[in-house]
Amino acid sequence: ETGVTQTPRHLVMGMTNKKSLKCEQHLGHNAMYWYKQSAKKPLELMFVYNFKEQTENNSVPSRFSPECPNSSHLFLHLHTLQPEDSALYLCASSQKQRATDTQYFGPGTRLTVL
Amino acid sequence: GQSLEQPSEVTAVEGAIVQINCTYQTSGFYGLSWYQQHDGGAPTFLSYNALDGLEETGRFSSFLSRSDSYGYLLLQELQMKDSASYFCAVRSGGSQGNLIFGKGTKLSVKP
Repeated sequence: ETGVTQTPRHLVMGMTNKKSLKCEQHLGHNAMYWYKQSAKKPLELMFVYNFKEQTENNSVPSRFSPECPNSSHLFLHLHTLQPEDSALYLCASSQKQRATDTQYFGPGTRLTVL
Repeated sequence: GQSLEQPSEVTAVEGAIVQINCTYQTSGFYGLSWYQQHDGGAPTFLSYNALDGLEETGRFSSFLSRSDSYGYLLLQELQMKDSASYFCAVRSGGSQGNLIFGKGTKLSVKP
């Protein structure tokens, strides 16, 4: 238990569906992240929120839309996804000022797009 | 650009020592980290090196040579539970930079 929770743990959706992933951190951190993990690929940083402000968007397609209402909650809204978007989506948090910027990861959401 | 290279797979036997290497190319280097991820689990932090040298934490040690843009994770007295993927990650771009992860090394420990 890392102090970062994610729901749902598994999600199957069609290409025309709209769904949202939720992440909550109980660590008092000031930064939250969405990563995508696909087979045979490195962890890909998608979005970064620092003090609720989005500071990074790594050329992520607009069918992925993040939302950070406060420093403890992070959402990833999904719509009109493609089968190649099937992956493990990991949320993480960190205390940005610390030198290590240690990432505390949630268990992830295994997403399958049909 | 920024990139990290590490072997894709390593196999070792229980009780042995294994070294997982990582070479990196980045601008504004701000430290090398290592994470462990078991199958079906989330990555968890193992170690961090900002300065050259060896950092030891129990059976695990991590080494950094900034002049060679190289580091390694050393696992001693291997146990079956050490079977996992190990990722190196660099933080670039200064104190507000984000982590860039390598592709990971899958370690299989055999009895």
